[in-house]
Amino acid sequence: EADIYQTPRYLVIGTGKKITLECSQTMGHDKMYWYQQDPGMELHLIHYSYGVNSTEKGDLSSESTVSRIRTEHFPLTLESARPSHTSQYLCASSEWTGNNSPLHFGNGTRLTVT
Amino acid sequence: EDKVVQSPLSLVVHEGDTVTLNCSYEVTNFRSLLWYKQEKKAPTFLFMLTSSGIEKKSGRLSSILDKKELFSILNITATQTGDSAIYLCAVFTGNTGKLIFGQGTTLQVKP
Repeated sequence: EADIYQTPRYLVIGTGKKITLECSQTMGHDKMYWYQQDPGMELHLIHYSYGVNSTEKGDLSSESTVSRIRTEHFPLTLESARPSHTSQYLCASSEWTGNNSPLHFGNGTRLTVT
Repeated sequence: EDKVVQSPLSLVVHEGDTVTLNCSYEVTNFRSLLWYKQEKKAPTFLFMLTSSGIEKKSGRLSSILDKKELFSILNITATQTGDSAIYLCAVFTGNTGKLIFGQGTTLQVKP
């Protein structure tokens, strides 16, 4: 069973606020990912990391930023939240074994910006 | 542009029915295809397929990949209400190992 945790589970905030979505994993996985998922839509990769001090942008443009200072921690930050940021954000991790390791997902953060 | 397409987008069946979910893909540098089940929370991993024609099986679920025709199917036999979920197909592609998801198939199993 994968051990990857996201907090908060739900977040409702006003426009213009700065927020950080937390993601931690205890499996020692090198690769971590952030996906964005709107209801009824596919998951879109917004950020990923190969390891400490590595961050890359995904396929979907996002105004969020990420950092990877520790292996187990991959927070996502929005400097100024807007209603268009309302979505579900899913964090995932995988081992670094030739690109073919299944991703293990956290339970997600459902963000609503009013 | 890499893409993964699932069909049908939604499906309603009764307990005991058998269902087949489809996933087709067009990607550069295919690595592997994965199936996930997503209920209310996190997607949970079901299968990873890398070779054509080799069936993967877990209980009532099975899946197979056809790399020539670029598709995979997920079969669920003797469906139960607990099978109700969104089933996601995803493909690992390219040297960076990005995982590209399809839109998902929403399965509802009625008692």
